[in-house]
Amino acid sequence: NAGVTQTPKFQVLKTGQSMTLQCAQDMNHNSMYWYRQDPGMGLRLIYYSASEGTTDKGEVPNGYNVSRLNKREFSLRLESAAPSQTSVYFCASSQYKGSNQPQHFGDGTRLSIL
Amino acid sequence: GENVEQHPSTLSVQEGDSAVIKCTYSDSASNYFPWYKQELGKRPQLIIDIRSNVGEKKDQRIAVTLNKTAKHFSLHITETQPEDSAVYFCAAWDPTSTGNQFYFGTGTSLTVIP
Repeated sequence: NAGVTQTPKFQVLKTGQSMTLQCAQDMNHNSMYWYRQDPGMGLRLIYYSASEGTTDKGEVPNGYNVSRLNKREFSLRLESAAPSQTSVYFCASSQYKGSNQPQHFGDGTRLSIL
Repeated sequence: GENVEQHPSTLSVQEGDSAVIKCTYSDSASNYFPWYKQELGKRPQLIIDIRSNVGEKKDQRIAVTLNKTAKHFSLHITETQPEDSAVYFCAAWDPTSTGNQFYFGTGTSLTVIP
């Protein structure tokens, strides 16, 4: 089992460009999450999907949109990239949002916006 | 919402010594506390976790202690080895939060000096 798979691993964009980060999990988890990781700030939640068909905002949702395509896949879209969105993005999944079970992370996408 | 503080932000120890990282949380409703290890350029990986009905948990050289009264929990690594060098994150899970439920500390960069 691959666990949580993210694509791409690296990306460089120009300001104003758009792109979609892809995430898929093969653990039959119900809940999926997108985080960004910036130096000295830990992991901050952008959006989450408690179950297939639902999405909700996290701590830092501005400038992003998400789609829970099916139970396995959860994508993050930057419509008009800004330099402030330069970061490392992690997708994670867990069995249920409402259960105290650990989250499992992907390898991350390193995104630079010029 | 919950607030998790983690100290120290950086820690250097000699190989073979012990390392202790401490986290405090603000919401007494939080009842699950995982610890993640993140090696440079890699995904955060769960190394140990503890639930609020337990005061201490050990796994070989790693242990976590929880003081619910004081609202703090700590990661203890004994007989440190160079491969323990990484960033360590604590987290607290708050079941009463309707939105984000996992709250992460800002990380501790541990360096084990051979």
